[in-house]
Amino acid sequence: NAGVTQTPKFQVLKTGQSMTLQCAQDMNHNSMYWYRQDPGMGLRLIYYSASEGTTDKGEVPNGYNVSRLNKREFSLRLESAAPSQTSVYFCASSEAGDGELFFGEGSRLTVL
Amino acid sequence: QKEVEQNSGPLSVPEGAIASLNCTYSDRGSQSFFWYRQYSGKSPELIMFIYSNGDKEDGRFTAQLNKASQYVSLLIRDSQPSDSATYLCAPRGSSASKIIFGSGTRLSIRP
Repeated sequence: NAGVTQTPKFQVLKTGQSMTLQCAQDMNHNSMYWYRQDPGMGLRLIYYSASEGTTDKGEVPNGYNVSRLNKREFSLRLESAAPSQTSVYFCASSEAGDGELFFGEGSRLTVL
Repeated sequence: QKEVEQNSGPLSVPEGAIASLNCTYSDRGSQSFFWYRQYSGKSPELIMFIYSNGDKEDGRFTAQLNKASQYVSLLIRDSQPSDSATYLCAPRGSSASKIIFGSGTRLSIRP
């Protein structure tokens, strides 16, 4: 049982390049989330999807787009990467969206 | 005002002592509260949740909730070096499914 799987685990981009972070969960959870965590900081919510077919902005949505492709998958896209987006990105899922989150291992992104 | 406030620490506690971590929140509609632990370089993991006023105990961990004062605490008794981590508070707000975390408190247990 894989839980929450994120790809890629590491990525280096140049300023202005685009990329998509992929997330898939196999727990049949309804809600999915994307967070970013900067060094020494807590988690900041970028976007979330309460259920298949819906997405909502979190605390720091600027510069990102998301797609809830189906119940299993929730992707995060950076259209034009900036150095300020250098961070560790965590995807999480929740059965009921009640705060019990299961996290992926994280994706470390560096933008030069 | 940030929705969730935590003292970033680091909080240094001697081994065997009680570690006390606090979290305040601004949304009076918050009904349940979650504590996550995150080891350095790892992803967060849920360790406690509480949804009613008072205390909830689980082994060496006790969560305390005071809705009137809008704060929730996590007490760790008999602290061990393995408790050294960052502890994150997450209230479930009135907006369903939107889970906002505090900035986390870094706890260090010194032998």
